[in-house]
Amino acid sequence: NAGVTQTPKFQVLKTGQSMTLQCAQDMNHNSMYWYRQDPGMGLRLIYYSASEGTTDKGEVPNGYNVSRLNKREFSLRLESAAPSQTSVYFCASTQGTVARGVHFGDGTRLSIL
Amino acid sequence: GQQLNQSPQSMFIQEGEDVSMNCTSSSIFNTWLWYKQDPGEGPVLLIALYKAGELTSNGRLTAQFGITRKDSFLNISASIPSDVGIYFCAGQLGGGYQKVTFGIGTKLQVIP
Repeated sequence: NAGVTQTPKFQVLKTGQSMTLQCAQDMNHNSMYWYRQDPGMGLRLIYYSASEGTTDKGEVPNGYNVSRLNKREFSLRLESAAPSQTSVYFCASTQGTVARGVHFGDGTRLSIL
Repeated sequence: GQQLNQSPQSMFIQEGEDVSMNCTSSSIFNTWLWYKQDPGEGPVLLIALYKAGELTSNGRLTAQFGITRKDSFLNISASIPSDVGIYFCAGQLGGGYQKVTFGIGTKLQVIP
């Protein structure tokens, strides 16, 4: 019952360090997403990939890059981490209609000092 | 972009009580979604609504799509301790899931 798997679950970085958050789904979904969750802000879309081979910016893409490695995997990279990127990051995937919602991973809690 | 106002932001209730929370939007949506997030986990879809006026139940949960298409309500009846979590509304006008806008969430605490 894996669904969407994110690694790592926790990470502490220093300002300026780089890091890649990994995400994999085993549901054969076409679309994958990266969100960040901050107190009082709800979930905000960083980047998404509608299908294998395509990626597009979401609401808050600055400071991030993504790679859709294959149909299963969608990674998020912070090239030079900043304290403002301290957040909980969620990967999600979906196949069907909007009304079916998305499957979220359990999140990566990232702190940048 | 579209904004969602979700209220209340937090609430404490006694076990057994009914709970009501709502979301309002500055513009219309075609789909309303309600999610629950347990501590340390990702959100999970509870109810999806896609027609104005629609009332849908999922166990003790009932949600309604407002007639104006700018609001939605979620009610929880006879709350139990496992109802604790953050409840998010989300709305979408059109396009793919990347067009979904989330509310800031309602944090629910249930006192046994």
